[in-house]
Amino acid sequence: SYVLTQAHSVSAAPGQTARITCGGNNLGSKNVHWYQQKPGQAPVMVIYDDSDRPSGIPERFSGSNSDNTATLTISRVEAGDEADYYCQVWDSSTTHPVFGGGTKLTVL
Amino acid sequence: EGQLLESGGSLVRPGGSLRLSCAASGFTFSNSAMNWVRQAPGKGLEWVSMMTGTYNTYYTDSVEGRFTISRDNSMNTLFLEMNSLRVEDTALYYCAKGGPQPRPFDFWGQGTLVTVSS
Repeated sequence: SYVLTQAHSVSAAPGQTARITCGGNNLGSKNVHWYQQKPGQAPVMVIYDDSDRPSGIPERFSGSNSDNTATLTISRVEAGDEADYYCQVWDSSTTHPVFGGGTKLTVL
Repeated sequence: EGQLLESGGSLVRPGGSLRLSCAASGFTFSNSAMNWVRQAPGKGLEWVSMMTGTYNTYYTDSVEGRFTISRDNSMNTLFLEMNSLRVEDTALYYCAKGGPQPRPFDFWGQGTLVTVSS
């Protein structure tokens, strides 16, 4: 089955840029979606189809996907961005969705 | 954006059964693919099951044959019948609108907690 790999944790100071990566075989050929999960809350979609932003999500959130790596970039990081971030794709061989293991963003 | 409200979670003994419900509102439920996604304590997200608007069903391998997903479009409600429960099924179970591939999970409920323990 398809595997998505994420770093366990990332940190950034307020005002800086945080980059959260997601790795997978030929990931650039798939549509990557990103979810933010704050402590004690349900996940919220922040990026879909590699780089599109749902309404209500700040422009500070952006995404890219190429080759074997997708990246969620958070510009001008704020304390409120501290959360777990998960990437997700669909495994075309099983038709099942797959989540990465999640990356914890710590705002210093 | 719609809303999803899960219910039915509780403490159950290994080998027991449980039925989860997810009440939907604010969107056209009948033609939407709906999912159950779980999160074990301190762990990541794990997809469990999906039912499309045309009643096709899908399950992750670990629950195949034990869990059954269903829906009642007249009540805008999604269900998950869980049998032969195991300790490793302990998790917060989320209902989520999304799929089939390659569509994302648009929005999620707040979850209902299932604890399997003797």
